[in-house]
Amino acid sequence: NAGVTQTPKFQVLKTGQSMTLQCAQDMNHNSMYWYRQDPGMGLRLIYYSASEGTTDKGEVPNGYNVSRLNKREFSLRLESAAPSQTSVYFCASGLVNNEKLFFGSGTQLSVL
Amino acid sequence: EDQVTQSPEALRLQEGESSSLNCSYTVSGLRGLFWYRQDPGKGPEFLFTLYSAGEEKEKERLKATLTKKESFLHITAPKPEDSATYLCAVNTGFQKLVFGTGTRLLVSP
Repeated sequence: NAGVTQTPKFQVLKTGQSMTLQCAQDMNHNSMYWYRQDPGMGLRLIYYSASEGTTDKGEVPNGYNVSRLNKREFSLRLESAAPSQTSVYFCASGLVNNEKLFFGSGTQLSVL
Repeated sequence: EDQVTQSPEALRLQEGESSSLNCSYTVSGLRGLFWYRQDPGKGPEFLFTLYSAGEEKEKERLKATLTKKESFLHITAPKPEDSATYLCAVNTGFQKLVFGTGTRLLVSP
C-alpha cells in the first residue's frame, strides 16, 4: 500500500549542479503534481500533469523541467541548481482536477 | 489575485480544550475548499472537501464548516495526537489549488 513514493528524501547540491527528483504512484491516478514548500509560504505548484503525455506549468516553473514518463511516474529536474531552489519538494497525485490529492513524504533539498 | 489566509499561525491548547482554526479566502470562483493535516517531515494528508456555504464535514474530533468568505476547522476535546500543521486550500479552477500557510497546532497533555 505504497501510495506516492518520492526519492531521494534528502539531497545537498552545489550551485550549478543538476539532479532529478523521482516520483511514482500506484493508485492509477491520472493527475500528478510537483509542489515546493518554503517557510512562511503555502505550498506552491511548480508543474503538473493532468494526464499521461501532458505537462503544464504551475505558479513557479522557472528553473525546473518535468517528465511524465508513464501513468505512474512523474519526475522533476533541476538543470542548474540555485540557492533559491532550497526547499522541500512534494509530489502529489489525484484522480481528477485537484480532488483529494495524495502527497509523497517529500524531498528536502539544499543548494549551497 | 486569489488569496488564502489562515489564522492563527500557531495555537497551543491543553488536552480537552476545544478551539477553532480559521481559513479566510478571496477567490474569483470557488470550486472547493480543502483541509489537510501535515505532520513534521511528512506530506499533507487529506481531511475534508467542502463545496458550498453551509456545508459541514466531520471526522472524529474535527469538524469543518464553510461560509462564503471563510472556513473553520473546529477541534473538540483535542488530544496530543492532534498536534500537527493544518493546511487550508481552495480550488479556483482547472489545476489551480491555492494553499494557505497553515496553522501549527500543539496539544499538551
